[in-house]
Amino acid sequence: KQEVTQIPAALSVPEGENLVLNCSFTDSAIYNLQWFRQDPGKGLTSLLLIQSSQREQTSGRLNASLDKSSGRSTLYIAASQPGDSATYLCAVGVGGNTPLVFGKGTRLSVIA
Amino acid sequence: NAGVTQTPKFRILKIGQSMTLQCTQDMNHNYMYWYRQDPGMGLKLIYYSVGAGITDKGEVPNGYNVSRSTTEDFPLRLELAAPSQTSVYFCASSSSGTTNEQFFGPGTRLTVL
Repeated sequence: KQEVTQIPAALSVPEGENLVLNCSFTDSAIYNLQWFRQDPGKGLTSLLLIQSSQREQTSGRLNASLDKSSGRSTLYIAASQPGDSATYLCAVGVGGNTPLVFGKGTRLSVIA
Repeated sequence: NAGVTQTPKFRILKIGQSMTLQCTQDMNHNYMYWYRQDPGMGLKLIYYSVGAGITDKGEVPNGYNVSRSTTEDFPLRLELAAPSQTSVYFCASSSSGTTNEQFFGPGTRLTVL
């Protein structure tokens, strides 16, 4: 059974710092990996989607990498801002159009 | 496109009451999903559907029912509400293309007292 773990559970950094959020999964036979952002009391916003054949995806200040063989993905946020404060969720797709398996998330606070 | 919409946004139920959570998507996606999120936890799959008339159970289906009579709608039914069903419910959809990118609705916050 696929399991997804996110470490740390919470992170607090000063504004302007570069940071890395970690995601690990137990079964390397994944189809894709998706990073989401969730603001308090809100829904999920898709940030980046990495297919199993890709190594990384970039969007603005965000860069997500994927290492299937080691069962890990990282989300890199450059020059963090207070507006980046949110919970970041990692989710793994085990096949095409199959339900996602989610980690518990990392709660990020960026302090001005 | 409105994307994925859910109603209601909030609801308080008494134990034993029933209700239907509505989910509609206007992206012509074949695949739809219902997840629940408990405080401090990731999302867990309740039910999903690969197309109209086809549904399947997820990890935590007990106490819920679904139907999929149209491509657009995927309602979730709670028959006898229990305190353990207090949670935030998210509906999602994805197309039948190759990316499997899932798009989520804003959620329904349900409290059972």
